[in-house]
Amino acid sequence: GAVVSQHPSWVICKSGTSVKIECRSLDFQATTMFWYRQFPKQSLMLMATSNEGSKATYEQGVEKDKFLINHASLTLSTLTVTSAHPEDSSFYICSARQGAGNTEAFFGQGTRLTVV
Amino acid sequence: ELKVEQNPLFLSMQEGKNYTIYCNYSTTSDRLYWYRQDPGKSLESLFVLLSNGAVKQEGRLMASLDTKARLSTLHITAAVHDLSATYFCAVGLNDMRFGAGTRLTVKP
Repeated sequence: GAVVSQHPSWVICKSGTSVKIECRSLDFQATTMFWYRQFPKQSLMLMATSNEGSKATYEQGVEKDKFLINHASLTLSTLTVTSAHPEDSSFYICSARQGAGNTEAFFGQGTRLTVV
Repeated sequence: ELKVEQNPLFLSMQEGKNYTIYCNYSTTSDRLYWYRQDPGKSLESLFVLLSNGAVKQEGRLMASLDTKARLSTLHITAAVHDLSATYFCAVGLNDMRFGAGTRLTVKP
């Protein structure tokens, strides 16, 4: 299957700082990337969908100004958590899909963010 | 809005036993996914079901899809300890929605 690489795997940051998480499709061009958040022992919640070259579509309840998503190229999307607070601590997972139609989305390995 | 319900949420099995996890969804979809997640890890793709009546098997796991009933099942045959994990079903294409997950524990 296709490979999606997420970086970093884990990060600890201080309250009030910003953290950037990268999601790269290594061997295919990802026209669409998805960002999920997963709290401990819970399911994955879709945060936003981004298409290359256009603005991300955020799910209801997700703050656009807090979770900045950029999908500037067909192989890279970034999620920046701005002014992070302890309640933003979570496991963030990206997935990427190559095109429209019957194509599967492939998941990155996830980033565990801890805000102290 | 698409809703995905999964049950049971917790499942404790003895090795060698069989069991089924159910996944119901609220709106029409012709694609359904099953994933496995180990603690602290991301998702591992198990099955992609793309049509009504689709059945796929891999080892001790078998998944099926009934789009008319909006139901998918993940059947576990003769469970072994290595199958202990959380299993998620997910539905949709442009905005994949996940079920709550089934935390499976297989005991000796």
